[in-house]
Amino acid sequence: SYVLTQPPSVSVAPGQTATITCGGNNIGRKGVHWYQQKPGLAPVLVIYDDSYRPSGIPERFSGSNSGNTATLTIRWVEAGDEADYFCQVWDPTDYHVFASGTRVTVL
Amino acid sequence: QVLLVQSGAEVKQSGASVKVSCKASGYSFSSHHLHWVRQAPGQGLEWMGGISPGGDYRDHAQNFQGRVTMTTDPSLTTVYMELSGLTSDDTAVYFCARLKAYAFDVWGQGTLVTVSS
Repeated sequence: SYVLTQPPSVSVAPGQTATITCGGNNIGRKGVHWYQQKPGLAPVLVIYDDSYRPSGIPERFSGSNSGNTATLTIRWVEAGDEADYFCQVWDPTDYHVFASGTRVTVL
Repeated sequence: QVLLVQSGAEVKQSGASVKVSCKASGYSFSSHHLHWVRQAPGQGLEWMGGISPGGDYRDHAQNFQGRVTMTTDPSLTTVYMELSGLTSDDTAVYFCARLKAYAFDVWGQGTLVTVSS
């Protein structure tokens, strides 16, 4: 089975940059999608196909993917960015695979 | 406005079945598969399966083999997910989500299913 690994938590001060990694075997060969989930709400797609932002998502959110690691970067972090973030890929054996998520705390 | 609106919370006994609905609006129903993702309390997201708008194509995660049934009613632009043989491990929020390429771009509000013994 295909496994994705994220750090459980990331802490960042307002105005700084948060970097969230998503590790997987040759993940650079796959399209990676990122979701933001705030407490009690449904997930929201913030990055698709490694680095594309859906309409309405601020330019502060960006993504990259290479080798065995994909990365979600949030620049100029705001209090409202505090949430859980999940990466997801499609695998031909397991289909849609989610990582366990990273909680971003804004200090 | 693209919307997915799910049915309300359910409480079920162990061994029972639950059926959750997801009504789509604001886009061409025939253009996108709809999928189901669940989230146990305090846990991550778990993909369950998906169905094409006409119901001719389905896929599901191995974990739910033999327990999950997904159906669609295009006349109502609604999909359904039925999960049988419920245990306490099935207590979770169940989301429907629209598939665009390989990402889930629109999500329903979620349906809490509580399984009591």
